[in-house]
Amino acid sequence: GAGVSQTPSNKVTEKGKYVELRCDPISGHTALYWYRQSLGQGPEFLIYFQGTGAADDSGLPNDRFFAVRPEGSVSTLKIQRTERGDSAVYLCASSSDSQETQYFGPGTRLLVL
Amino acid sequence: GESVGLHLPTLSVQEGDNSIINCAYSNSASDYFIWYKQESGKGPQFIIDIRSNMDKRQGQRVTVLLNKTVKHLSLQIAATQPGDSAVYFCAENRGDYKLSFGAGTTVTVRA
Repeated sequence: GAGVSQTPSNKVTEKGKYVELRCDPISGHTALYWYRQSLGQGPEFLIYFQGTGAADDSGLPNDRFFAVRPEGSVSTLKIQRTERGDSAVYLCASSSDSQETQYFGPGTRLLVL
Repeated sequence: GESVGLHLPTLSVQEGDNSIINCAYSNSASDYFIWYKQESGKGPQFIIDIRSNMDKRQGQRVTVLLNKTVKHLSLQIAATQPGDSAVYFCAENRGDYKLSFGAGTTVTVRA
């Protein structure tokens, strides 16, 4: 069956630009998570959705970051006024519920020049 | 602060030998632990998990051991193969939905 998919796989942008990163979770998974992974580090939690609502956005670094999941399936992570420090791999994961195994997508590699 | 960490950042192992990757955690309230494998340019891939009411769990060629007394977790890979070369992360779930990852151990399999 299909796993978690993310688009684009790579994104290069200029400082100050706006970017959107998309995540398609495993079909039927109600829980969706965004993580950020810097080079040489483990993933760090950003935000968690249960259904359509963001149940916990405490990991978002600042108000330039925002995520939505309007229909409880696909999610979009939005970054405004990108900075060079935003360069990282952005990972999406989904699970059948919040206490079950999280399955990760391939990630979007964001480079801010 | 509380964290999940791996004892060694790198591990070199001869093909066919067994590998042991270690992980220490500090939050005694954690009740769920997961091992992920991440190959270059890919997302973390689930390997095996274990809940705090168990001390051992086996999968295909992999075994996870949990020692709650010393807050230690290990992943054993039997008969290591070239395809096992990757970065391995232990992750800790502290009773909610957030996973807390260590920095990872890079495993290199020598032919």
